[in-house]
Amino acid sequence: GEDVEQSLFLSVREGDSSVINCTYTDSSSTYLYWYKQEPGAGLQLLTYIFSNMDMKQDQRLTVLLNKKDKHLSLRIADTQTGDSAIYFCAESGDNYGQNFVFGPGTRLSVLP
Amino acid sequence: DVKVTQSSRYLVKRTGEKVFLECVQDMDHENMFWYRQDPGLGLRLIYFSYDVKMKEKGDIPEGYSVSREKKERFSLILESASTNQTSMYLCASSLHDGSYEQYFGPGTRLTVT
Repeated sequence: GEDVEQSLFLSVREGDSSVINCTYTDSSSTYLYWYKQEPGAGLQLLTYIFSNMDMKQDQRLTVLLNKKDKHLSLRIADTQTGDSAIYFCAESGDNYGQNFVFGPGTRLSVLP
Repeated sequence: DVKVTQSSRYLVKRTGEKVFLECVQDMDHENMFWYRQDPGLGLRLIYFSYDVKMKEKGDIPEGYSVSREKKERFSLILESASTNQTSMYLCASSLHDGSYEQYFGPGTRLTVT
């Protein structure tokens, strides 16, 4: 079946850029998503990208998609301590939203 | 704003008890989902529903059942709770069309003793 992979941990210094990477196997993915989960909370949608796009920017967030390599990344500029959280990559095919696969999540730690 | 609410943030139950977890969304979404989240295992899909009274098994349905009598409400039932069902339970909803993004509730941390 479809699979989404991420590295499990990332540490960065406050003020640096963070880059969280994700690979997926489903070549029919229509949308790819980044979610953020703060401690003890549910998942919050950060952004998503349609599969025919290469890049999407939203304030401090930049999403890059390499469809040929099935690689998605999330760059957070000027990382702050409030960005410490688990970040989930997810992908969805075109089946009315029922084929939704999450990665294992990357725990981002921001060091002062 | 889409709002997904879950009936409890924290719940402690005894082994063998029947447990109901309720989820309500207010955006007329067709799809609703129940996940459990455990350290190191990410999110695992238990059940989803794409319409009233419709349900589909996810990856780990054993020991769980669901009910969707109204479009806005999706209930997860643990018929006889066991200690290995201690977990964080997350409910989500999404539309049938568009960009399919899922909106999540705050989660219910269930402890079975």
